[in-house]
Amino acid sequence: EVQLVESGGGLVQPGGSLRLSCATSGFTFSSHYMSWVRQAPGKGLECVANIKPDGSQKSYVDSVKGRFTISRDNSKNSLYLQMNSLRAEDAAVYYCAETGGGYWGQGTLVAVTS
Amino acid sequence: DVVMTQSPLSLPVTLGQPASISCRSSQSLVSSDGNTYLSWFQQRPGQSPRRLIYKVSNRDSGVPDRFSGSGSGADFTLKISRVEAEDVGVYYCMQHTHWPVTFGPGTKVDIK
Repeated sequence: EVQLVESGGGLVQPGGSLRLSCATSGFTFSSHYMSWVRQAPGKGLECVANIKPDGSQKSYVDSVKGRFTISRDNSKNSLYLQMNSLRAEDAAVYYCAETGGGYWGQGTLVAVTS
Repeated sequence: DVVMTQSPLSLPVTLGQPASISCRSSQSLVSSDGNTYLSWFQQRPGQSPRRLIYKVSNRDSGVPDRFSGSGSGADFTLKISRVEAEDVGVYYCMQHTHWPVTFGPGTKVDIK
C-alpha cells in the first residue's frame, strides 16, 4: 500500500520558519519526481515546488522563490520543504505528492498569524 | 509559467445526465518525449485530491468508466457520461509538461 505522511505543520508567526517532512512507503520513491502542493482555505490547488528523482533539478512557483527549499533523501524515502520568511498568504494545507499526481498525502496545516 | 483555465467554474448537474469540463493551457502541453502530461483530479470536501485521468485520456485504476478524458495540444475535456451523487466535488486539471507544475482554478460540480 502506498503511503505518504506529512508532518511538521503548525502555527508560526510572520517571518518565522517551518520544515515540512513527508515519509513515503509502498512505491519506489527514488524513481519519482515529487512535489509540494498547497491549498489555502476555500481555494484551489497550487504546486509550490518540484524536484527530480535524483534531486538535481528543482523548481518553485514565483511567490516562494528564495524563501522555500525543496529537498529529498532517497535513502530515507523522504521529501522535505524548508519554509522561511513565512507570510500570512502562505497559510494553507500542504500536500506531499508524486508530481504526476498519482500519490498524495493527507496534508499538513500551516497557519501563519501573529 | 503555463496558465491553465477551466470552464465552467460551477457546474450544476442532474443525476444521470452527462457533464463536461473544459481545460485550456496557455501553451501546448506536448512534451519533448511526445507525451502530453495533462491530468484530471477530483477533490471531495475534506479529502485529498484523487487523480482520475493521466496523460489526457488514461483512466486511473478504480476510476469508474463513466469518466473519460480527451483532447490534444492545449485543449482538453473531462466528461462524465452519467453523473452520480458521489461525483459531487471540485475537479482540477493539471499540467506537468512544463515546470513549474500548474493547476486549473477548479470546477465545482454539484447536484441541481
